[in-house]
Amino acid sequence: SQQGEEDPQALSIQEGENATMNCSYKTSINNLQWYRQNSGRGLVHLILIRSNEREKHSGRLRVTLDTSKKSSSLLITASRAADTASYFCATFDKLIFGTGTRLQVFP
Amino acid sequence: KAGVTQTPRYLIKTRGQQVTLSCSPISGHRSVSWYQQTPGQGLQFLFEYFSETQRNKGNFPGRFSGRQFSNSRSEMNVSTLELGDSALYLCASSSRTGDSGELFFGEGSRLTVL
Repeated sequence: SQQGEEDPQALSIQEGENATMNCSYKTSINNLQWYRQNSGRGLVHLILIRSNEREKHSGRLRVTLDTSKKSSSLLITASRAADTASYFCATFDKLIFGTGTRLQVFP
Repeated sequence: KAGVTQTPRYLIKTRGQQVTLSCSPISGHRSVSWYQQTPGQGLQFLFEYFSETQRNKGNFPGRFSGRQFSNSRSEMNVSTLELGDSALYLCASSSRTGDSGELFFGEGSRLTVL
């Protein structure tokens, strides 16, 4: 399987704390994307990082990519209750998603 | 610009029946992909269509099929439904231009098989 794997499967934090999620994948990629899904809804694109990039920022989001380790991380800084959702990484080439990290942010 | 539209949003079927789900992509998008999401298996890739041709296929039995029309609208069909087919079926469209690769998802069709 070429599926990505997110870690941890679930994460609970308090508002204001940072949340870090990791993703590992198995094959070479051109880019890697992160998506967010509110319960029972469709996924929403957050950020894309290309294979020649090591770090990318978007607002409170910071994504890193280590192609030698075939891994990526998503950092959400100063989390809010509204960040409560599931987060998925995806390798675009094969449209394969990971199993997701369920983030719960308590007010 | 209208988003990705999936119909129906909810449906209930019984074992052995068949079901057809529809997906209208964002105007101008020629790629449509389908996913099955269940609590136990996560988000599983079904297939992708681009300009009416199936480009990729996941590991699902032949009971799962799809097609894409000339206007890029797509349908997926599941025949001989099983209890395990109960899931949220998500459709996503993409322009597939350049290397952006961003997928735009619909709200899904929630299928319950009794």
